[in-house]
Amino acid sequence: EVQLVESGGGLVQPGGSLRLSCAASGFTFSSYWMSWVRQAPGRGLEWVANMKQDGSEKHYVDSVKGRFTISRDNAEKSLYLQMNSLRAEDTAVYYCARDLGTRDGYYYGMDVWGQGTTVTVSS
Amino acid sequence: DIQLTQSPSFLSASVGDRVTITCRASQGMSSYLAWYQQKPGKAPKLLIYAASTLQSGVPSRFSGSGSGTEFTLTISSLQPEDFATYYCQRPGTFGGGTKVEIK
Repeated sequence: EVQLVESGGGLVQPGGSLRLSCAASGFTFSSYWMSWVRQAPGRGLEWVANMKQDGSEKHYVDSVKGRFTISRDNAEKSLYLQMNSLRAEDTAVYYCARDLGTRDGYYYGMDVWGQGTTVTVSS
Repeated sequence: DIQLTQSPSFLSASVGDRVTITCRASQGMSSYLAWYQQKPGKAPKLLIYAASTLQSGVPSRFSGSGSGTEFTLTISSLQPEDFATYYCQRPGTFGGGTKVEIK
């Protein structure tokens, strides 16, 4: 079964750090771009970051640049999000997703999602 | 950066209705668009990719169209399980969402 399972969420004080993990199974993890998407309470979806198969490209939404770092371990079939200098506005459910990327002028979407892990930034 | 604006942000409809949701891009972007359905407490589900291609397993009452700056998601006959929030997305950004509720 194709599956993504996030972990590592929790309650953290403003200015603190947290590392999220996403464990993949049922597919060849090293063949896909991977993304992090978050959803603040009662709000819409926000794309956070993504990473190319070999790690040679990474992209971030402006609001997290310099604070968050996406990484992956293809041998361990895992995706990570290191979050530093956390702010109240980072409070959200964080999802990892398999991103099929773009080619030939088309975007193929994110077809596999985890169940999400909740990050709460509060004192 | 390209911005995506969905309309309406909320709509009330009945079972059997035809529903259309629009996603407008601030700049032309070919067919770089996907649509998702999200139900409360659940992860999003991919419905449409490449603007108009139905994801495997998604009912044929869902369809997507458009290119450039204007895209639409249509549900031809709304079913009880379709009441949810719908998002358009291009690489790097999501639209604001459209919540479809029961009239």
